[in-house]
Amino acid sequence: DGGITQSPKYLFRKEGQNVTLSCEQNLNHDAMYWYRQDPGQGLRLIYYSQIVNDFQKGDIAEGYSVSREKKESFPLTVTSAQKNPTAFYLCASSRISEETQYFGPGTRLLVL
Amino acid sequence: QKEVEQNSGPLSVPEGAIASLNCTYSDRGSQSFFWYRQYSGKSPELIMSIYSNGDKEDGRFTAQLNKASQYVSLLIRDSQPSDSATYLCAVVGGYQKVTFGTGTKLQVIP
Repeated sequence: DGGITQSPKYLFRKEGQNVTLSCEQNLNHDAMYWYRQDPGQGLRLIYYSQIVNDFQKGDIAEGYSVSREKKESFPLTVTSAQKNPTAFYLCASSRISEETQYFGPGTRLLVL
Repeated sequence: QKEVEQNSGPLSVPEGAIASLNCTYSDRGSQSFFWYRQYSGKSPELIMSIYSNGDKEDGRFTAQLNKASQYVSLLIRDSQPSDSATYLCAVVGGYQKVTFGTGTKLQVIP
């Protein structure tokens, strides 16, 4: 059963804490993406990766970091430098040759 | 000017009517266009893609593209309460950059 999984579904962050959101896909997609969604706003691109061990900043990368050590995995770390992290975080993937992106179920990050 | 613009709504239509959702974009070089449906608290799911001018039909959904007017729309025929969701327009521009609109909230009234 192919798809994209994200965990956890909900995540609570204390001030000054780094937290990591997991994204795994078994679709054999080369490209993976992280988006942030705030109420009333569209999806904003944080980071993307088209190949293992390589990734690019999106429009709002400040305060975030990623790694791509395996094709299947693209974890996102929300660092303490991100002052307003409360949002819905969406991971997506696609084939390199296609532009259609498929989304995981999302992680909702809340600040305590 | 936003790169991809959608009316936030809500757009209210009675059950069984046609819902018309619109999207305009600013990048004239855009070649690929997508419509996603997003239920409250859930992630977006792909409904349709369109690449050429004209209409593309899939079941109750029809996507319409007019590149000269930089306009893409989604028609939903025989609207059902289960169609109530936010519909996101996504446009692929230069360097394969995907830009999402803010979405139109659709409410289908039984």
